[in-house]
Amino acid sequence: DIQMTQSPSTLSASVGDRVTITCRASHIINNWLAWYQQKPGKAPRLLIYKASNLQSGVPARFSGSGSGTEFTLTISSLQPDDFATYYCQQYHTYGTFGQGTKVEIK
Amino acid sequence: QVQLQESGPGLVKPSETLSLTCSVSGVSISNNYWSWIRQSPGKRLEWIGYIFYTYTGSTTYNPSLKGRVTISVDASKNQISLRLGSVTTADTAVYYCAKGAEPPQYWGQGTLVTVSS
Repeated sequence: DIQMTQSPSTLSASVGDRVTITCRASHIINNWLAWYQQKPGKAPRLLIYKASNLQSGVPARFSGSGSGTEFTLTISSLQPDDFATYYCQQYHTYGTFGQGTKVEIK
Repeated sequence: QVQLQESGPGLVKPSETLSLTCSVSGVSISNNYWSWIRQSPGKRLEWIGYIFYTYTGSTTYNPSLKGRVTISVDASKNQISLRLGSVTTADTAVYYCAKGAEPPQYWGQGTLVTVSS
């Protein structure tokens, strides 16, 4: 099984901050990684696929990078709509999600 | 515009079979991947499996579900189905269907299934 570990679990930030979330895979997954945003009571929304490709309709302040086993999601300037929980998912071998990172208001 | 709507019993007894349907509109079921994912009350997301439907369906399942899961398509109704057998309380979750598989792109709103006697 490929395990996905996100850090931090919780992140306190202010509007306008640059925010970075890290996701580590237990095995090499090349760039088969996606990032999702989830708000309370809603389904996850795909933000990034193949590690760095922005899904259609997603604001350009979101970006992804990494390859192999270490990946990051960056929000260049945090907006009020961005306070949510973020998940990574590997799809190199079946599909495994990270445990989530909650971005909360500082 | 792709729309997905999950439906099914909200309560299932232990050892019974959970059956859910995902109604699809705005896109053809054919020549697309369709996934099921669930989210436990503790918020962990778990990938269940997916189907690629042409004239038949090619499926891939999470090995951890140990042969309990079946995903199928009813093309005449534009629906995808999930069956999970021998359920326990650990199968209590919100179940989502989604278009796409690697990765799932468009998700339904989800439906809560509670396993309890």
